[in-house]
Amino acid sequence: QTVVTQEPSLTVSPGGTVTLTCASSTGAVTSGFYPNWFQQKPGQAPRALIYSTSNKHSWTPARFSGSLLGGKAALTLSGVQPEDEAEYYCLLYSGGGVFGGGTKLTVL
Amino acid sequence: EVQLVQSGAEVKKPGESLKISCKGSGYTFSNYWIGWVRQMPGKGLEWMGIIYPGDSDTRYSPSFQGQVTISADKSIGSAYLQWNSLKASDTAMYYCARRGGILNAFDIWGQGTMVTVSS
Repeated sequence: QTVVTQEPSLTVSPGGTVTLTCASSTGAVTSGFYPNWFQQKPGQAPRALIYSTSNKHSWTPARFSGSLLGGKAALTLSGVQPEDEAEYYCLLYSGGGVFGGGTKLTVL
Repeated sequence: EVQLVQSGAEVKKPGESLKISCKGSGYTFSNYWIGWVRQMPGKGLEWMGIIYPGDSDTRYSPSFQGQVTISADKSIGSAYLQWNSLKASDTAMYYCARRGGILNAFDIWGQGTMVTVSS
């Protein structure tokens, strides 16, 4: 079964920029996997941020953006805010879904 | 307002059966796939499977095939996740999520149902 890999943890300073990535064990991540990104804070349900690689939901803050980067899906946060500290998950979907292991983002 | 509302927390014993629900409102329930996601305590999200309430087309993750049953009743706008014989290892938070459109946007999530299995 496909394994999806994310950075276990990243640290960023307030106001900084950070990129989280999402890699597939089967090869390059393409738009055909419709990468989705979610944010989850402790004790809360996941919240959708990005779908189909780079599309934002109506509630997604402008500082979040999605892309494909070097064969991986990527989530970039520009101008990081303290409230962005959370766990971030990617989901690759092609008939069925597979989540990445999550990236714990610390804003310090 | 588009939302998914899940049934309340459950405490069960090993070997018991259970069916939890996810009720959609604010949209045409039968037109959107509903996925189920497991999150074990302190762990990440795991994809379990998905159902299209319009015709009950269901796809399971290989990891969960045969372990759970996903169903839906479009007449009342609800999807279900069912176990015939619970194990302690089924203890987890379970989320439902809506998949919309041709771009596979998983947009709306339920609040989660905590299932605790303990003797």
